[in-house]
Amino acid sequence: KAGVTQTPRYLIKTRGQQVTLSCSPISGHRSVSWYQQTPGQGLQFLFEYFSETQRNKGNFPGRFSGRQFSNSRSEMNVSTLELGDSALYLCASSTDSQGVETQYFGPGTRLLVL
Amino acid sequence: AQSVTQLDSHVSVSEGTPVLLRCNYSSSYSPSLFWYVQHPNKGLQLLLKYTSAATLVKGINGFEAEFKKSETSFHLTKPSAHMSDAAEYFCVVSLYNQGGKLIFGQGTELSVKP
Repeated sequence: KAGVTQTPRYLIKTRGQQVTLSCSPISGHRSVSWYQQTPGQGLQFLFEYFSETQRNKGNFPGRFSGRQFSNSRSEMNVSTLELGDSALYLCASSTDSQGVETQYFGPGTRLLVL
Repeated sequence: AQSVTQLDSHVSVSEGTPVLLRCNYSSSYSPSLFWYVQHPNKGLQLLLKYTSAATLVKGINGFEAEFKKSETSFHLTKPSAHMSDAAEYFCVVSLYNQGGKLIFGQGTELSVKP
């Protein structure tokens, strides 16, 4: 099976712009979670989608949003970019989200905000 | 509140010597626990997971971890380090019915000297 794929892998934006990142889960996985990784804050949970519904959300401002499509692919959007949004954004997929299932991570999208 | 504490931010060992990466967790409920590894500029790879079955869990590449409820610990060990083990390691807790939310430790960077 193909693993989790994320596009694009690298992105450079300027402050105030918006960005959309894409994640394709492993075939058959219905849960997609997003995480932000920065040197200062480490890995932090953004949100999780299951069957096109957001089921859990982390402590991020409303500028961070996401959605999931009927084929389980997910996108996350960040509006009005700030310098502090520069990070590695990881998505992970699993069969469900009850807590015991393994989450498989993609390679990430590295976002640089100038 | 649930949390994960990795007791060492950096561990350095010589090739062929044992590895010990320490992790303590705090949880009101029985958690699922994971160790993930991240090589430079890569996504996260699952090493092993504990989900209330055997307390000694064996993972990939010779790693194993022991769940000790009385000590709220889940330390990662390997009998003999290899140069390719140099990476960052994350101890992670997942709670039942928390919608895919993983709580990450701050990470331990493992260096392996020849």
